[in-house]
Amino acid sequence: EPEVTQTPSHQVTQMGQEVILRCVPISNHLYFYWYRQILGQKVEFLVSFYNNEISEKSEIFDDQFSVERPDGSNFTLKIRSTKLEDSAMYFCASSMVTEQFFGPGTRLTVL
Amino acid sequence: DQQVKQNSPSLSVQEGRISILNCDYTNSMFDYFLWYKKYPAEGPTFLISISSIKDKNEDGRFTVFLNKSAKHLSLHIVPSQPGDSAVYFCAASLGRGSTLGRLYFGRGTQLTVWP
Repeated sequence: EPEVTQTPSHQVTQMGQEVILRCVPISNHLYFYWYRQILGQKVEFLVSFYNNEISEKSEIFDDQFSVERPDGSNFTLKIRSTKLEDSAMYFCASSMVTEQFFGPGTRLTVL
Repeated sequence: DQQVKQNSPSLSVQEGRISILNCDYTNSMFDYFLWYKKYPAEGPTFLISISSIKDKNEDGRFTVFLNKSAKHLSLHIVPSQPGDSAVYFCAASLGRGSTLGRLYFGRGTQLTVWP
């Protein structure tokens, strides 16, 4: 069964460093998403991406965040200058039309 | 952001019995609802969904009921099995055009099914 994959599974970084989280969506899906879940809190939407551009972003997705689909398979989330409060599980998701399918997540720890 | 609420943080059910997980929402513009199951150290796994034009959708042991007037939905699992033990998230979408927009999640309910 096709699935969304994410790498790395765990990323530890120093505050102020840049990180890139990688995702491979399901191959025939057209819509891509990033969400995050801070420990003990809800899963929160960050951004959606379609046709090589951002279709929607939340108030969390400020200038330190960017997304890219550099080739036909990868979808990346870049955090330019990480802050302590960026520590969270980051989930990538993809969909064809309706249901969104999630990857296993990347645990980002900012020290 | 309290648009989707799951007021029960946990539910404990005996194997073979029915599990009922509840979800309330405040935004009447939501028109598509989904349930996800999540095990520790994994991403949310899609379970079942329902459009606002329906009041019930069934898939095997899982049934979702939607009461739009009460802004309430529930997930029924019958019969419950120990492998169903997980956190269950309710999510809602405004269903932008031909595809879903962002999902708004509840805080989740930890279901424990004991033998």
